[in-house]
Amino acid sequence: DAGITQSPRYKITETGRQVTLMCHQTWSHSYMFWYRQDLGHGLRLIYYSAAADITDKGEVPDGYVVSRSKTENFPLTLESATRSQTSVYFCASSEVRGNEQFFGPGTRLTVL
Amino acid sequence: AQSVTQPDIHITVSEGASLELRCNYSYGATPYLFWYVQSPGQGLQLLLKYFSGDTLVQGIKGFEAEFKRSQSSFNLRKPSVHWSDAAEYFCAVGAPYNNNDMRFGAGTRLTVKP
Repeated sequence: DAGITQSPRYKITETGRQVTLMCHQTWSHSYMFWYRQDLGHGLRLIYYSAAADITDKGEVPDGYVVSRSKTENFPLTLESATRSQTSVYFCASSEVRGNEQFFGPGTRLTVL
Repeated sequence: AQSVTQPDIHITVSEGASLELRCNYSYGATPYLFWYVQSPGQGLQLLLKYFSGDTLVQGIKGFEAEFKRSQSSFNLRKPSVHWSDAAEYFCAVGAPYNNNDMRFGAGTRLTVKP
């Protein structure tokens, strides 16, 4: 199906473990984003990418790593998960700079 | 950097009543403005957007929003709320030509009473 997908949808892990959240889009959008959603904070940008092999930090990048070797994929890695990274993570993509972003269904991550 | 405030954390309205969700932004120029809706367990869906031109914009599901530069506001309205409108609503402000710098409000949760 066309669109933007995220996997897994739910993940429970332990402090100190490495976790990778996957994001895949079928539109060939140039721009992709990772947000985290926490109660009272709305969505906060973690990282974004303007094209394959071009990534940059957002508002809250500490503790996260991204890569984008292919246009359609934008994985987010928590190198050593902490409890403060318990959150809902959303991936989004956009075709045009500054325009509408299309969101995936989210990944709920719990770090014990 | 721009910022956005949604003053109301939670609003309850009766089905059939009118709705207005408030959004105030801070930005040095005319921003790009968006309203998104999030149903439980879902991602965000765009309701409407404003870039320039007519300050009253129409969106999907019968929603509209009005950009008021003098008040730095972009309030979302609907004349008659349906039970299916119960969701979380997010206002977002973007900086033109700067796609990475979109800021979201904390959201307003809408409850619809039968």
